[in-house]
Amino acid sequence: AQSVAQPEDQVNVAEGNPLTVKCTYSVSGNPYLFWYVQYPNRGLQFLLKYITGDNLVKGSYGFEAEFNKSQTSFHLKKPSALVSDSALYFCAVRDKDKAAGNKLTFGGGTRVLVKP
Amino acid sequence: GAGVSQSPRYKVAKRGQDVALRCDPISGHVSLFWYQQALGQGPEFLTYFQNEAQLDKSGLPSDRFFAERPEGSVSTLKIQRTQQEDSAVYLCASSLAGWYRGGQSSYNEQFFGPGTRLTVL
Repeated sequence: AQSVAQPEDQVNVAEGNPLTVKCTYSVSGNPYLFWYVQYPNRGLQFLLKYITGDNLVKGSYGFEAEFNKSQTSFHLKKPSALVSDSALYFCAVRDKDKAAGNKLTFGGGTRVLVKP
Repeated sequence: GAGVSQSPRYKVAKRGQDVALRCDPISGHVSLFWYQQALGQGPEFLTYFQNEAQLDKSGLPSDRFFAERPEGSVSTLKIQRTQQEDSAVYLCASSLAGWYRGGQSSYNEQFFGPGTRLTVL
């Protein structure tokens, strides 16, 4: 079975400060990892993914995430947050084992509030 | 280009009514997924199609839920005899097919539609 934990329901940060959104995962094999962002009344927008290779992944809108296998984590980061980054962020995982199927398992989400 | 579209965007149903939710995936995307997102929670997997074949329906909560994709493009999620606990946002996603060869595998990200918000009274 695969699962994702996002330990913080909400993260508050001042504009211009670094932003970190935490994610830990559990899979029986090796993971594919994703971050999505959701704005009100809109679907999920893809930010970035880790498939293989470099542990530091760069994505859209200045976001990046670091895959840490030993800590089973995939934290999302942005060096300088913008007010427009205020949204709901979801981490998702899929086991690389083909037998696990193609579905994504999502965390419960973290609401980010960036204050001017 | 055009993304994933869903209709209707909002649906109000009386308990016991049947509803049908439509998804138009991105053209050329082989894989199509349905997810259910309850208020304040992350999306939960319902079912998966590769072309017209429904390869995984393990997430469908009951036999009142039925999905189809007869021509391998547009998909419909049908809920029969709706109950209040069916109230949620239903998200559709599509992706290019992943590949698996020589012990190596890849996986393409899923692109999501705006969702259909279903309210059952």
